Amino acid sequence: DAGVIQSPRHEVTEMGQEVTLRCKPISGHNSLFWYRQTMMRGLELLIYFNNNVPIDDSGMPEDRFSAKMPNASFSTLKIQPSEPRDSAVYFCASSLPTSGSREEQYFGPGTRLTVT
Amino acid sequence: AQKVTQAQTEISVVEKEDVTLDCVYETRDTTYYLFWYKQPPSGELVFLIRRNSFDEQNEISGRYSWNFQKSTSSFNFTITASQVVDSAVYFCALSATVSGGYNKLIFGAGTRLAVHP
Repeated sequence: DAGVIQSPRHEVTEMGQEVTLRCKPISGHNSLFWYRQTMMRGLELLIYFNNNVPIDDSGMPEDRFSAKMPNASFSTLKIQPSEPRDSAVYFCASSLPTSGSREEQYFGPGTRLTVT
Repeated sequence: AQKVTQAQTEISVVEKEDVTLDCVYETRDTTYYLFWYKQPPSGELVFLIRRNSFDEQNEISGRYSWNFQKSTSSFNFTITASQVVDSAVYFCALSATVSGGYNKLIFGAGTRLAVHP
């Protein structure tokens, strides 16, 4: 079975540009998570979807960040406009449909974003 | 507070040595879950184990073993006869109830393990 798929794997963009990161969760998983990893702050949960509905977006840094999950097999994380401090690795993870994070989460390979 | 502490920032060992990675957690939940993940140099996060708070039996999987002790709020991870391929950052995580009544994975800062030939 395919794991969590993320694209692109690497993204280099200039400050002020819009960036869209994409994620396809594991089939049958209906919890989806977006994380950001930096040296300074470690792994941070940005947003959590359950059955395509955003449950907790308290980790989204500011209004420049938005996430959608239009269906069970696709999610996007958008940054508009991007800033150099958004440079990080962004992970998408999915898990089986139990209560939130009780089940193990399976992570995608990550998107390394560099904003110059 | 809901918190995971991995006090060891970096560990360096020589191949074939045994090494233990420490994890201490704090939670107000009576039911909770603990996890270990591995992040090799390639960057992906690999799930290793999940343990629920009612199961204090130690677990062994090949060269890996986990020791869960509720009395000390610890969930330590031991690699026996370490190999160079074990070099990675290892994260301990706690599934904790947050405001709103749902669960969230709280990660420790990670321990970077370097195994030298």
